[in-house]
Amino acid sequence: EVQLVESGGGLVQPGGSLRLSCAASGFSLSHSWMHWVRQDPVKGLLWISTTHGDGRITSYADSVRGRFIMSTDNSKNTVYLDLSSLSAADTAVYFCVRGANEWRGFDYWGQGALVTVSS
Amino acid sequence: VLTQTPLSSPVTLGQPASISCKSSQSLVYNDGIIYLSWLHQRPGQPPRLLIYCVSKRFSGVPDRFSGSGAGTEFTLTISRVEPEDVGVYYCMQATDVPHTFGQGTKLEIK
Repeated sequence: EVQLVESGGGLVQPGGSLRLSCAASGFSLSHSWMHWVRQDPVKGLLWISTTHGDGRITSYADSVRGRFIMSTDNSKNTVYLDLSSLSAADTAVYFCVRGANEWRGFDYWGQGALVTVSS
Repeated sequence: VLTQTPLSSPVTLGQPASISCKSSQSLVYNDGIIYLSWLHQRPGQPPRLLIYCVSKRFSGVPDRFSGSGAGTEFTLTISRVEPEDVGVYYCMQATDVPHTFGQGTKLEIK
């Protein structure tokens, strides 16, 4: 059974940093595309970043490029998202999402991690 | 841009419901496939995949859910609405990068 469990969310001050983790089970990250998607009440669902478990490609949305870094540790079957230079606009629930193997799109979603940027 | 209509849909249990998703451009990928998905999100839960590639039901999804469409216009249909179907429905395209989502349609029981 595919499971994605996020952790690391919380309250952070503007300009601060945070690391989100996503522990994957039921499949191997090394053969998978993984994504982060965030959701807030104003902008709705927004794709943030994508990487392949073999590390060959990583891409980011314009709004986070240069501030967020996505990485994987295949030995722990875990995906990370390092967030820095945070502002109130980054307040959202962050979902770890698996890319489908046989078609373009997302198949499994984690339960989400709430990041609140506030002083 | 994906535009969903309606934004809110009050429905009667046991009755059908449909949601439209229109794309501002063709969603046909260079392999000829349209990568349009439908997701369902209950309050306090993550989105869950229902339909992918316009009309293919994902594993475990009841057959009362169906997807249709072509080109730039797509529809999610629920043949008989059940209580657990409440929540917000999103269309999502994975043809282009970045993948994008519709604004959501809230399904409520009358």
